[in-house]
Amino acid sequence: EDKVVQSPLSLVVHEGDTVTLNCSYEVTNFRSLLWYKQEKKAPTFLFMLTSSGIEKKSGRLSSILDKKELFSILNITATQTGDSAVYLCALGGKLIFGQGTTLQVKP
Amino acid sequence: DTGVSQDPRHKITKRGQNVTFRCDPISEHNRLYWYRQTLGQGPEFLTYFQNEAQLEKSRLLSDRFSAERPKGSFSTLEIQRTEQGDSAMYLCASSIWRAEEETQYFGPGTRLLVL
Repeated sequence: EDKVVQSPLSLVVHEGDTVTLNCSYEVTNFRSLLWYKQEKKAPTFLFMLTSSGIEKKSGRLSSILDKKELFSILNITATQTGDSAVYLCALGGKLIFGQGTTLQVKP
Repeated sequence: DTGVSQDPRHKITKRGQNVTFRCDPISEHNRLYWYRQTLGQGPEFLTYFQNEAQLEKSRLLSDRFSAERPKGSFSTLEIQRTEQGDSAMYLCASSIWRAEEETQYFGPGTRLLVL
């Protein structure tokens, strides 16, 4: 059965720190891996990683996919209080989500 | 606003009552998904449509749940004889099917509380 495991489950940092969120997965037929940000409302799309696009970057956020070792990471540099949220990783298709990582950025 | 919309945003009901939620996808998106999310968990897949055809239902979807997308545009999710365990956030997402490049965009959700 396809599965996604995220770590850590929660993280507290101070503004300016760099954080790395982890997502490991098991899948029968890989299509894509997606990252979403959720702030007490619906998830908002961040990145999609596929076999043809294993590295993505947008501003202070970046993500890579390792299809051999079956994991992905989401990096956030120079964190801000507005980055506080739950970060969700999901296998593409009918999305299969991990439990999420709750990030709290303190001023 | 041309995003996914859901109605109502909040619903409180008594156990045993029926409830119906509506989702309006991004126009021209041919796929529509329903998910359920409980506190501290990621969303769980319930069912999805391509145009008006319901292509898959999760084992989580008991017989009390039914979903429709009659004209391939908006969709409804009905829960009959609600139970306290149905309390959750119900999320709708839509996408354009393009093989591995499919990206789902979520609506604001309907938060259901069953008393």
